[in-house]
Amino acid sequence: GAVVSQHPSRVICKSGTSVKIECRSLDFQATTMFWYRQFPKQSLMLMATSNEGSKATYEQGVEKDKFLINHASLTLSTLTVTSAHPEDSSFYICSARSGETQYFGPGTRLLVL
Amino acid sequence: GENVEQHPSTLSVQEGDSAVIKCTYSDSASNYFPWYKQELGKRPQLIIDIRSNVGEKKDQRIAVTLNKTAKHFSLHITETQPEDSAVYFCAAGGGSNYKLTFGKGTLLTVNP
Repeated sequence: GAVVSQHPSRVICKSGTSVKIECRSLDFQATTMFWYRQFPKQSLMLMATSNEGSKATYEQGVEKDKFLINHASLTLSTLTVTSAHPEDSSFYICSARSGETQYFGPGTRLLVL
Repeated sequence: GENVEQHPSTLSVQEGDSAVIKCTYSDSASNYFPWYKQELGKRPQLIIDIRSNVGEKKDQRIAVTLNKTAKHFSLHITETQPEDSAVYFCAAGGGSNYKLTFGKGTLLTVNP
C-alpha cells in the first residue's frame, strides 16, 4: 500500500517552455501533497505544500508564479514549471501524506537546455 | 522554523558492524521523526519513524531513539549488510501542517 507515482520520470525541454509534472497517490487519498527539489548529493528542499481544493502554500524564496501547483483531486497534484531556464534543471520529487507519514514518488529529472 | 542537523555526512563500516546516525532539531513543537533511505537515483523510502510520546522503537535490525529534552534522535542499524549502503535522511516535523524538515543526509557505505 501507499504507492505514489510521478510522471514523467525524465524530461528535457528548451529554455522558455513550460513543463508539467504529475504526482498521483495510487491506493490512497491524499488531502496534502508536497513538492520537493533535490540537487545532486544534497537534501530534500521543500518547495510547497499542495492542499486539495485550495491554494498551495509556498516556502520562502519559491516563486509561486514560476512553480504553479494544482491539487484538483484527492489523488492528483501537478507542478508546472513555467518559462523554464537552465537553472531550473533539477530532480523534483513529490510526496503524498497519509496520516503523518509522507510517501514519496520516484521523482522527475528535469533538464532545461 | 525548524532546523535539523545530521551527522556524520559520510559513514563507512564493515559488514556486520553497527552504524549510528545522529540528528538534532530546534523546534520543540516537532513531534514526528521519520528516517528515510534513498538509493542512488531512487525515491526516499521510509524505514522507521518515531513519535514524541515514545523514547525508542525497534524494527528488526533498525532502531531509533528519541531524547525530547535534548532535542536529538538517532538511527541505529545493527549487523549491517552491503545492501544497507545508501543515503539516510532524518526529518522532523508534525503539527497541523504536517511539514517535514530534512537533515542533509548521511552516505552509509557497508564494505563486504
